[in-house]
Amino acid sequence: GQQLNQSPQSMFIQEGEDVSMNCTSSSIFNTWLWYKQDPGEGPVLLIALYKAGELTSNGRLTAQFGITRKDSFLNISASIPSDVGIYFCAGLPGYALNFGKGTSLLVTP
Amino acid sequence: NAGVMQNPRHLVRRRGQEARLRCSPMKGHSHVYWYRQLPEEGLKFMVYLQKENIIDESGMPKERFSAEFPKEGPSILRIQQVVRGDSAAYFCASSPGPRNEQYFGPGTRLTVT
Repeated sequence: GQQLNQSPQSMFIQEGEDVSMNCTSSSIFNTWLWYKQDPGEGPVLLIALYKAGELTSNGRLTAQFGITRKDSFLNISASIPSDVGIYFCAGLPGYALNFGKGTSLLVTP
Repeated sequence: NAGVMQNPRHLVRRRGQEARLRCSPMKGHSHVYWYRQLPEEGLKFMVYLQKENIIDESGMPKERFSAEFPKEGPSILRIQQVVRGDSAAYFCASSPGPRNEQYFGPGTRLTVT
């Protein structure tokens, strides 16, 4: 499968700060998904995007499907300690998800 | 509405033994996917199944690995004659259709000693 480039690899921020991370691919995707994974658990779906240019929010999270269909962005506003975890982007060209390597987020109180 | 269920959560096997991982999809989902995750890595697709059919097994090693999703009961990922390199977290996901968002189970962490 196509390897996605996800950045940054890790972020260390203070509570209350906003966070941005992104994902790029050399291939076009029909669907972009963002997941969060806590240690020892499975990925939890945060946001699903289905259309180029689409901007979707889920509470303090906002994600966008890039207009070229080759990238996506996730923003977290006013971070809190429970936002700690690894965030993965995933592109869905057909039915097999292609994952980025993840962004590890650490939030200090 | 119960989510995707996987068992066991942790499995320890000696080299050469068989590992059997089970996955029950979300209610109403008939599409099941298996992924493998190595430490510090994203998930890698292994196999996609619908009830009684393997649709795509292109990500699964040709030897020692097999998967099934019978008409009744959970999906099973079977690894025969395990080796140390098989140690990883194995995740199952399900979806209501082939191109819908996928929901993951908590995973089975396999350790081969």
